[in-house]
Amino acid sequence: GAGVSQSPSNKVTEKGKDVELRCDPISGHTALYWYRQSLGQGLEFLIYFQGNSAPDKSGLPSDRFSAERTGGSVSTLTIQRTQQEDSAVYLCASSRNSQGGQPQHFGDGTRLSIL
Amino acid sequence: GEDVEQSLFLSVREGDSSVINCTYTDSSSTYLYWYKQEPGAGLQLLTYIFSNMDMKQDQRLTVLLNKKDKHLSLRIADTQTGDSAIYFCAEIPSSNTGKLIFGQGTTLQVKP
Repeated sequence: GAGVSQSPSNKVTEKGKDVELRCDPISGHTALYWYRQSLGQGLEFLIYFQGNSAPDKSGLPSDRFSAERTGGSVSTLTIQRTQQEDSAVYLCASSRNSQGGQPQHFGDGTRLSIL
Repeated sequence: GEDVEQSLFLSVREGDSSVINCTYTDSSSTYLYWYKQEPGAGLQLLTYIFSNMDMKQDQRLTVLLNKKDKHLSLRIADTQTGDSAIYFCAEIPSSNTGKLIFGQGTTLQVKP
């Protein structure tokens, strides 16, 4: 597609439920990133995929968070047993690759609200 | 450690120039970026500069990099009300590939 597409754009769920957030990167981009934007913490890196390499999961805040990328394209970020502190905007970005300063292009994000 | 600092707020009048400043700690940072975020939207890439450059100009935008002081600035000439947004400075430190480290963001308010 023309840009990075994320769905849903908004998600409201009850504490304790599991949620899945989807990211469809720009066609041909091999690198995909997830970030979280919250009032208290600003923009934080969560996880990064580059081609078929093992993902860099160093930013995931707890073992309730996981992500996968199927077929080197679409990615899903899953949060299990959601907590109120998980409320944030989850942003996905993609780039041609992770080398040489290839710029990251962002989607509009998923606004997650935990009641 | 890796850290990026920005002032939180800037107010200017329409037609004036805006200068948004950013400092970073990793002297080996390779690329530095400016992103713009409008309400309810994601991050829009404005421009970026490689660390071996000291200036880059793109229409109304001028980026200045002072590597000695680890200081980056974004100048917007002839600021318009449509420039009102949050502006984020970000770096890719030398210690990793790809992961962006962001500043807190500067809210630019443009008064008519």
